[in-house]
Amino acid sequence: QLQLQESGPGLVKPSETLSLTCTVSGGSISSSSYYWGWIRQPPGKGLEWIGSIYYSGSTYYNPSLKSRVTISVDTSKNQFSLKLSSVTAADTAVYYCARQIAVAGPCDYWGQGTLVTVSS
Amino acid sequence: SYVLTQPPSVSVAPGKTARITCGGNNIGSKSVHWYQQKPGQAPVLVIYYDSDRPSGIPERFSGSNSGNTATLTISRVEAGDEADYYCQVWDSSSDHRAVFGTGTKVTVL
Repeated sequence: QLQLQESGPGLVKPSETLSLTCTVSGGSISSSSYYWGWIRQPPGKGLEWIGSIYYSGSTYYNPSLKSRVTISVDTSKNQFSLKLSSVTAADTAVYYCARQIAVAGPCDYWGQGTLVTVSS
Repeated sequence: SYVLTQPPSVSVAPGKTARITCGGNNIGSKSVHWYQQKPGQAPVLVIYYDSDRPSGIPERFSGSNSGNTATLTISRVEAGDEADYYCQVWDSSSDHRAVFGTGTKVTVL
């Protein structure tokens, strides 16, 4: 059974960089046809897609966040990561990682999510 | 940018049918996926590619997509179906990105 687990600091200061890692177990991140994505959800609000990456390193980003987002993959560790720079309180959210079936497909496996609070 | 609009809330009595709409410009030309999210939990995929059900999802969940509206239908609603539901598409019309709907809270009366 595929499992995804987010990890990283739960508190980030304004203007700093948010960094999260998603560890994939029970399957290979190098499997063809799958993308690996990040989605976030501010408290009490809806879901927002941040971006996705293929094991080769090919990426798609949400245009509204593109200037601040970097998603990378480490196939040797079966992990992919998110960096979001210049954070503000508006970036406070639960961050989920997920497996995406093909670039336009659904997210069929999700991590449990991790709350990141931006505050001084 | 592409926008998906859902009603904020839908109320339904147990045993009845709930229909949740997802409106978007010519959404019928796109593949729509639906997620169920219960409080404090990660979303769960309930319908993908308009009308396919993942294994383990009850047949009571079905989907359709045509014109400017996609619909998630929950038949014979149970108390355990109370949750937030989100539609999602991939927008490749301008920027390539995933777009989520605004979300619908389903309340079982």
